[in-house]
Amino acid sequence: AQSVTQLDSQVPVFEEAPVELRCNYSSSVSVYLFWYVQYPNQGLQLLLKYLSGSTLVKGINGFEAEFNKSQTSFHLRKPSVHISDTAEYFCAVSILTGNQFYFGTGTSLTVIP
Amino acid sequence: DAGITQSPRHKVTETGTPVTLRCHQTENHRYMYWYRQDPGHGLRLIHYSYGVKDTDKGEVSDGYSVSRSKTEDFLLTLESATSSQTSVYFCAINTAPGVDTQYFGPGTRLTVL
Repeated sequence: AQSVTQLDSQVPVFEEAPVELRCNYSSSVSVYLFWYVQYPNQGLQLLLKYLSGSTLVKGINGFEAEFNKSQTSFHLRKPSVHISDTAEYFCAVSILTGNQFYFGTGTSLTVIP
Repeated sequence: DAGITQSPRHKVTETGTPVTLRCHQTENHRYMYWYRQDPGHGLRLIHYSYGVKDTDKGEVSDGYSVSRSKTEDFLLTLESATSSQTSVYFCAINTAPGVDTQYFGPGTRLTVL
């Protein structure tokens, strides 16, 4: 079975500072990895995804993530955050032969002016 | 934006009453999902469908049933609502779980008194 762990439930950061949101996964087979963002009172939107190829993936709004197979991690980073990045961020995994996605418990990012 | 609508968007009901939530898509995607979102738990899968009349249970299916008689509609029913089912419910769709992005609806906020 697959599982996802987001190590930080809340991350406060000052505006224009860098941020890293951590995600670790567990799986006995190859996985596909996703980061979603949820703004208040909205559904989830895809930020970026890793399917294969380059382990550094770039997404929307200046976010990027790096797939590290040996550490089973897929951490999300942004070099300089903006107030508008305040949101809930979810890491998710799926496998090619499965029918489901598995989500982490989410990280609430708060950008402080 | 993917064509996904959920109805109702908000509902308040009493313990013991039946409740049906509707998810409607215009994308003709094969896979549809129902999740619930609760603080500290992230998104948890209730049921999913991989085709008309083809459904399967997720992580937290007890107390819920689903039906899919048409490609575009996926219904979630609480036969006898309980206070523990107070939550925000999200519908999601995609063409293939392993490699495709999930697209989420706007959510339904359900309160069971």
